[in-house]
Amino acid sequence: NAGVTQTPKFQVLKTGQSMTLQCAQDMNHEYMSWYRQDPGMGLRLIHYSVGAGITDQGEVPNGYNVSRSTTEDFPLRLLSAAPSQTSVYFCASGGHYEQYFGPGTRLTVT
Amino acid sequence: AQTVTQSQPEMSVQEAETVTLSCTYDTSESNYYLFWYKQPPSRQMILVIRQEAYKQQNATENRFSVNFQKAAKSFSLKISDSQLGDTAMYFCAFMRGSNYQLIWGAGTKLIIKP
Repeated sequence: NAGVTQTPKFQVLKTGQSMTLQCAQDMNHEYMSWYRQDPGMGLRLIHYSVGAGITDQGEVPNGYNVSRSTTEDFPLRLLSAAPSQTSVYFCASGGHYEQYFGPGTRLTVT
Repeated sequence: AQTVTQSQPEMSVQEAETVTLSCTYDTSESNYYLFWYKQPPSRQMILVIRQEAYKQQNATENRFSVNFQKAAKSFSLKISDSQLGDTAMYFCAFMRGSNYQLIWGAGTKLIIKP
């Protein structure tokens, strides 16, 4: 049981490049979400999904895209990276009793 | 909209002491959940303790306990017999009963000194 896995752990992008952050969970959770963590702030919700084929926007969705084709996977796409997207990204899955987090991806956009 | 406030950016105590981290929240919901998560330097988010709003009894997990004051919308975390491994960022988070979205405080950096 691996829990929530994320790849890559670190990434450096140039402004304008695109990339996909991968997230997978093996706990059969319907709910999955993406957060970003910036210094001095709590985590902020980017996008979430309540099941395969169903996604919705969170607090800070601009510049990001998601899809959910399977229960296990919930990738986050950066369409055209900007320096303001430099952050640590966390994927999570779970329910009311606990949200399980991946190890995070540190993304730097230059 | 719900908000979560942690008023202590940083705290420092000696090993074996007791420390209390503060958290207040604002909501008009009656059904919700509250959490404390720990984030050590490894960056991993680890659940410390949770509280269901409908439960009057304060949650406890070994050395960790909460003081949940629903009317005051306060949810503080007490760490007893603090250990060096407790050094971490601690985040308070709120979740409505109608969805699974977490709303986070800005965090408190806790340093345990030997």
